[in-house]
Amino acid sequence: AAGVIQSPRHLIKEKRETATLKCYPIPRHDTVYWYQQGPGQDPQFLISFYEKMQSDKGSIPDRFSAQQFSDYHSELNMSSLELGDSALYFCASSLGLYAEAFFGQGTRLTVV
Amino acid sequence: QKEVEQNSGPLSVPEGAIASLNCTYSDRGSQSFFWYRQYSGKSPELIMFIYSNGDKEDGRFTAQLNKASQYVSLLIRDSQPSDSATYLCAVTNTGNQFYFGTGTSLTVIP
Repeated sequence: AAGVIQSPRHLIKEKRETATLKCYPIPRHDTVYWYQQGPGQDPQFLISFYEKMQSDKGSIPDRFSAQQFSDYHSELNMSSLELGDSALYFCASSLGLYAEAFFGQGTRLTVV
Repeated sequence: QKEVEQNSGPLSVPEGAIASLNCTYSDRGSQSFFWYRQYSGKSPELIMFIYSNGDKEDGRFTAQLNKASQYVSLLIRDSQPSDSATYLCAVTNTGNQFYFGTGTSLTVIP
């Protein structure tokens, strides 16, 4: 069965650079969630989209932005990267709100 | 107060025993409850979901939900070494946010 696809899997950027993470949800899923997970920490909710509209916003820095496109894939844009942005970034998708969410393999971002 | 709280680990159980993981949540209007398993460096994997009060069984796993007391638990029967992982409780609150607990690290000792 098709799963959530994230790209790239690994990304190394320098401070103050920009990064774009992509998420392709499971086919027919209309809801996408973005999470950031630092070492030894639980996933922190960043932002979510439902039917291409922002559904809710969590602890996403102003330097980050995201959107969901007409084909339901989503991109997380991160600017002015800081060392503290180094983390695993997970995307999850679900069919509608309140439904079970399935996670992608994550993108490991390292800021040097 | 955090949206979702889990009992602190690490939890160690011998192989074949029952592992009990607990979770409480703060938003009384929460509607959906999930248990995820996460191996180090990997993405969370959905184990169970429950929406209604009571028990839900799936193989060796049983999820229990008590909305009045605002807790959800996960029982793992006949624990296996391969069950050793971090278990994350997640709750969808009235704001449609998917909140995770801090996770409980489980070690099953052969």
